[in-house]
Amino acid sequence: GAGVSQSPRYKVTKRGQDVALRCDPISGHVSLYWYRQALGQGPEFLTYFNYEAQQDKSGLPNDRFSAERPEGSISTLTIQRTEQRDSAMYRCASSPARGHEQYFGPGTRLTVT
Amino acid sequence: AQTVTQSQPEMSVQEAETVTLSCTYDTSENNYYLFWYKQPPSRQMILVIRQEAYKQQNATENRFSVNFQKAAKSFSLKISDSQLGDTAMYFCAFIYSGGSNYKLTFGKGTLLTVNP
Repeated sequence: GAGVSQSPRYKVTKRGQDVALRCDPISGHVSLYWYRQALGQGPEFLTYFNYEAQQDKSGLPNDRFSAERPEGSISTLTIQRTEQRDSAMYRCASSPARGHEQYFGPGTRLTVT
Repeated sequence: AQTVTQSQPEMSVQEAETVTLSCTYDTSENNYYLFWYKQPPSRQMILVIRQEAYKQQNATENRFSVNFQKAAKSFSLKISDSQLGDTAMYFCAFIYSGGSNYKLTFGKGTLLTVNP
């Protein structure tokens, strides 16, 4: 079946612009996670949804970052007023249930100039 | 808080040989899962193998196996008959399964190069 998809795959934006990153999880997966990965590092947790409920947003770096999953499927991670330090790979993962293995999408490479 | 440590930033192995990647973790919890993920040059994140902490038997997936030592908090990955396609960054990861958040905590990774 289809895996986790993310769009866009690459995004270049100017400092101060808003960006929206989309994640389409594996069909039927109830849990959805967002991670951020800097070059040469492991992914770091940003936020977690169980169905449509955002159950943990403790990893979001500041209030410029927000996420939603209104219908319990597709999720959007929004970064407002982007800064150069936001440049990274943003990864989405989904899981059939809490605690099970997570399957990652290809990521969105964000570059803020 | 849980931490995951991969002490080998880089390793290399000859094709067809066996290599072991190290991972240690620190937790006060008793119920958790451990994973190895592979990130090839394409930068996809691919699940390699999973281990439940309550299981004493080490997980195996074809050429990949783990040595899980719960008391020592050690979780190493053994790759047998290494292939050129195994060249990748390998990440060890931890999930605490007893709470309400199932976030993965990753190590910093080990870059494995398989030489022909």
